[in-house]
Amino acid sequence: EDQVTQSPEALRLQEGESSSLNCSYTVSGLRGLFWYRQDPGKGPEFLFTLYSAGEEKEKERLKATLTKKESFLHITAPKPEDSATYLCAGSNTGNQFYFGTGTSLTVIP
Amino acid sequence: NAGVMQNPRHLVRRRGQEARLRCSPMKGHSHVYWYRQLPEEGLKFMVYLQKENIIDESGMPKERFSAEFPKEGPSILRIQQVVRGDSAAYFCASSPPANYGYTFGSGTRLTVV
Repeated sequence: EDQVTQSPEALRLQEGESSSLNCSYTVSGLRGLFWYRQDPGKGPEFLFTLYSAGEEKEKERLKATLTKKESFLHITAPKPEDSATYLCAGSNTGNQFYFGTGTSLTVIP
Repeated sequence: NAGVMQNPRHLVRRRGQEARLRCSPMKGHSHVYWYRQLPEEGLKFMVYLQKENIIDESGMPKERFSAEFPKEGPSILRIQQVVRGDSAAYFCASSPPANYGYTFGSGTRLTVV
């Protein structure tokens, strides 16, 4: 069964305390691994797409990496405005995405 | 350049009524996707449509749910005879042809009382 599992479910960090979020996937024939950010009451906002193992992408304090079994979202020196739920999704067809349940990140000033 | 527009943002229906959720894709996007997000669960794929065609409805419940994307106008997700278990956030996403990424709308939060 194609699925995506994220851990931890929730993460509290002090401002400036770096950490990583994990996304494990079992999506056959993975064509893309996606990271989204979701704020309360809003739709998911696209962050990154990773296509092959070894690929890395960065945006401000975020860096996403991909292996053959998992992806990591590294957050360096987070700020309170980085508080959100981070969603990971895999796709093998481009039409249907398999989403994890997300990691709820809280950054404390 | 407006993003994906969904309306209404909030919808309250009594059990047995019909719910109609609308989604206007981004300009230039011809592919529309509907997802449902239940409390404490991840986003679940429901249906993928192109203009006047349902491409993949493998995630749609077999009864009471239907979707369309007409030649003119928004995509509609229709839920007939709603039940309490239909209460959820429904998100629409769109993408251009041959593109590998979605843009999501802000969702419609359906509450069945």
